[in-house]
Amino acid sequence: GQNIDQPTEMTATEGAIVQINCTYQTSGFNGLFWYQQHAGEAPTFLSYNVLDGLEEKGRFSSFLSRSKGYSYLLLKELQMKDSASYLCAVKDNYQLIWGAGTKLIIKP
Amino acid sequence: EAGVVQSPRYKIIEKKQPVAFWCNPISGHNTLYWYRQNLGQGPELLIRYENEEAVDDSQLPKDRFSAERLKGVDSTLKIQPAELGDSAVYLCASSHGWLAGISRPYEQYFGPGTRLTVT
Repeated sequence: GQNIDQPTEMTATEGAIVQINCTYQTSGFNGLFWYQQHAGEAPTFLSYNVLDGLEEKGRFSSFLSRSKGYSYLLLKELQMKDSASYLCAVKDNYQLIWGAGTKLIIKP
Repeated sequence: EAGVVQSPRYKIIEKKQPVAFWCNPISGHNTLYWYRQNLGQGPELLIRYENEEAVDDSQLPKDRFSAERLKGVDSTLKIQPAELGDSAVYLCASSHGWLAGISRPYEQYFGPGTRLTVT
């Protein structure tokens, strides 16, 4: 079957670094997305990976290993506004499969 | 550029009543999605349109849910009759063309959602 796994919740300190992992098992692979969703708001696009390796975009980076079915989102210099849920989504041959999201709590 | 517009933002209805949601996608986006999202879960696709054609409605509960996208722009999602389990946030999203097999799928832009409470 199709499955995406993410930790349910993580806690980190303002100014620190946090890594949110995502593992997937899908019938095909045509890319992996990360979205950010603040409480009560809609998801917004963060990153897209289709090739192995690290994609850096400011304080956020996303890594992909297709052979391991694994990705992570790395957030540096954490700010209070980074408190949100982070959703991993994988496109197989026909559809976008969403994980349940990881709720990130930032403490001062 | 205006984003995806949805209305209403909130709706409270009694069970067995009908309800409708409306979505206006970003101009030029020919792919439109309706999702349902429960608290603490990821979005669940209900239906995907390419222009005015519903190309993926496998997860739409067709006994009570219906959707349309006349003229390939605005879309409405209807529930009739609503059940208690339908309480959720209904999200509309749009993107550029969704082409099966193309290696670079386009990111989706979401509207603010409609929070439905069925009592």
